[in-house]
Amino acid sequence: QKEVEQDPGPLSVPEGAIVSLNCTYSNSAFQYFMWYRQYSRKGPELLMYTYSSGNKEDGRFTAQVDKSSKYISLFIRDSQPSDSATYLCAITIQGAQKLVFGQGTRLTINP
Amino acid sequence: DVKVTQSSRYLVKRTGEKVFLECVQDMDHENMFWYRQDPGLGLRLIYFSYDVKMKEKGDIPEGYSVSREKKERFSLILESASTNQTSMYLCASSRGWSGNTIYFGEGSWLTVV
Repeated sequence: QKEVEQDPGPLSVPEGAIVSLNCTYSNSAFQYFMWYRQYSRKGPELLMYTYSSGNKEDGRFTAQVDKSSKYISLFIRDSQPSDSATYLCAITIQGAQKLVFGQGTRLTINP
Repeated sequence: DVKVTQSSRYLVKRTGEKVFLECVQDMDHENMFWYRQDPGLGLRLIYFSYDVKMKEKGDIPEGYSVSREKKERFSLILESASTNQTSMYLCASSRGWSGNTIYFGEGSWLTVV
């Protein structure tokens, strides 16, 4: 079993839709959860960073963590064509030097 | 702004050639990483370094080596390139432990023919 599982998609939705991206993980020791956005032929960039269970909001983006279910989500409201990218979840534990990445979900927002 | 610079964006090399991929970061970060990214396989860690001259194997080190002679520079070396090493290579850096933000370079697209 992979440490982090993420549906690679592709996912295609119309502009304005609410998008839900998800990852599951297997190790309950993981404490820190991140979402990276990667545009085509570019490096990933940090989008959201959360520590505890619950929700964290930043503009149109909401990161949600459910530690009891080992499930993390990224919601995008009022999706725009500029949100078209690959989204990668990443997790880690206190003191670790490495992140564990999901496969990435390729998202397309259609005008 | 933190900048991680990969000097070569697109390379085409022949099978058996020795290939150097260079990466420089400008934020005095302790940690530096080399990943490769392939469709359907996501990001896979090749090697990382947490200090000058220190290195640790990642998940897929076979066929690769690294060098970190200066804090700001981390090189990935393919001793004898093979076609299955055709991929996008990403360099990254971070300060301290991984809970801090990891910053990526733009990527190097390597084709081995």
